[in-house]
Amino acid sequence: DVKVTQSSRYLVKRTGEKVFLECVQDMDHENMFWYRQDPGLGLRLIYFSYDVKMKEKGDIPEGYSVSREKKERFSLILESASTNQTSMYLCASSSDRGHSPSYEQYFGPGTRLTVT
Amino acid sequence: GQNIDQPTEMTATEGAIVQINCTYQTSGFNGLFWYQQHAGEAPTFLSYNVLDGLEEKGRFSSFLSRSKGYSYLLLKELQMKDSASYLCAVRARDNYGQNFVFGPGTRLSVLP
Repeated sequence: DVKVTQSSRYLVKRTGEKVFLECVQDMDHENMFWYRQDPGLGLRLIYFSYDVKMKEKGDIPEGYSVSREKKERFSLILESASTNQTSMYLCASSSDRGHSPSYEQYFGPGTRLTVT
Repeated sequence: GQNIDQPTEMTATEGAIVQINCTYQTSGFNGLFWYQQHAGEAPTFLSYNVLDGLEEKGRFSSFLSRSKGYSYLLLKELQMKDSASYLCAVRARDNYGQNFVFGPGTRLSVLP
């Protein structure tokens, strides 16, 4: 089974702190994604990566950065956390070269981040 | 750009049938997905359509019309455990490969 893990389920940080959210997948997927999910807005793409050391901005990259030094790990960084970054953060991975014809995304359990 | 629309909330009765609609506008269409998400949990994959027509998987079926930019998820013999949010997502090819765009989700409440 594909497994996507995230470093924390719940996180509370103060305004201005630097925050690291880690995501690890164990299926050798080349694609990894970071989303935030807010009520009424659905899943919004922050950043994605199609390969090691490669990153592309999604729909809402402002205030975030990412790092992908190894294929299995994709990190989301909040350089200076703000209260409007309080949200559920979901990591996902997928492959375009797998055996499944649908190449669907697999999601981690999510990190609920509260910035006070 | 990409745009996906689905109803915000729906209510149905246990044992009934419910249809959740999704309309989309996208370029580089390469598949439509439905995910189920229970409160506080990660989305899980339900179904995939890339060609027009109906895909059936047990109590769940999904339909796609590419010319109309329209899909629906049909849930039969509803059970209480089907109470969840249902996310419609479109995969599209862009300059970097393939990307996924999600709709806002439909929260389904199944009543006894």
